[in-house]
Amino acid sequence: AQKITQTQPGMFVQEKEAVTLDCTYDTSDQSYGLFWYKQPSSGEMIFLIYQGSYDEQNATEGRYSLNFQKARKSANLVISASQLGDSAMYFCAMRENSAGTASKLTFGTGTRLQVTL
Amino acid sequence: SAVISQKPSRDICQRGTSLTIQCQVDSQVTMMFWYRQQPGQSLTLIATANQGSEATYESGFVIDKFPISRPNLTFSTLTVSNMSPEDSSIYLCSSTHNEQFFGPGTRLTVL
Repeated sequence: AQKITQTQPGMFVQEKEAVTLDCTYDTSDQSYGLFWYKQPSSGEMIFLIYQGSYDEQNATEGRYSLNFQKARKSANLVISASQLGDSAMYFCAMRENSAGTASKLTFGTGTRLQVTL
Repeated sequence: SAVISQKPSRDICQRGTSLTIQCQVDSQVTMMFWYRQQPGQSLTLIATANQGSEATYESGFVIDKFPISRPNLTFSTLTVSNMSPEDSSIYLCSSTHNEQFFGPGTRLTVL
């Protein structure tokens, strides 16, 4: 089974609107971490936001928020007030055993977001 | 947050040659990770590099093809050996604190 599933290969959103990028995950670990990254055409991986499995509050970083629904095993990224510069690939990733920093990340297949005027 | 640099940023290489990619972190880290991203694909972990011990390779990756060095807590190298066009990818190094940060990547094209 896929550990990280991103079902939206591509999304369009109008400038200034909000958009939700979906991510579901599969793990039997009690302790894990969920990440979102942005990858523009330059290829760099830009860290956006992190949610630990024991965090009670949804993570927020500026215009990014993570809608964490633990029982449903979903960790959707919400981008508010979209900007043209938000056009990029977005990857959801999971690190199991998040209490330790030695564990690898498993990535989803990504969602390409296009922001339009 | 960690600042990670990589060299080279891109290269075009001939089939059968080798390329060594360098990764430098601005603080001491226990683990460094090397990922590959083939064109249009997601990231796949190649290996985990722990200072003072041999790297741990993921299924499908072997030391002879991707030798890794980790001489200290801030530096690592990945060599792509005996390259073929299928090795054309972005190679990214990463390190962990609570968040996990990536270097800017090395875009490799093999002709």
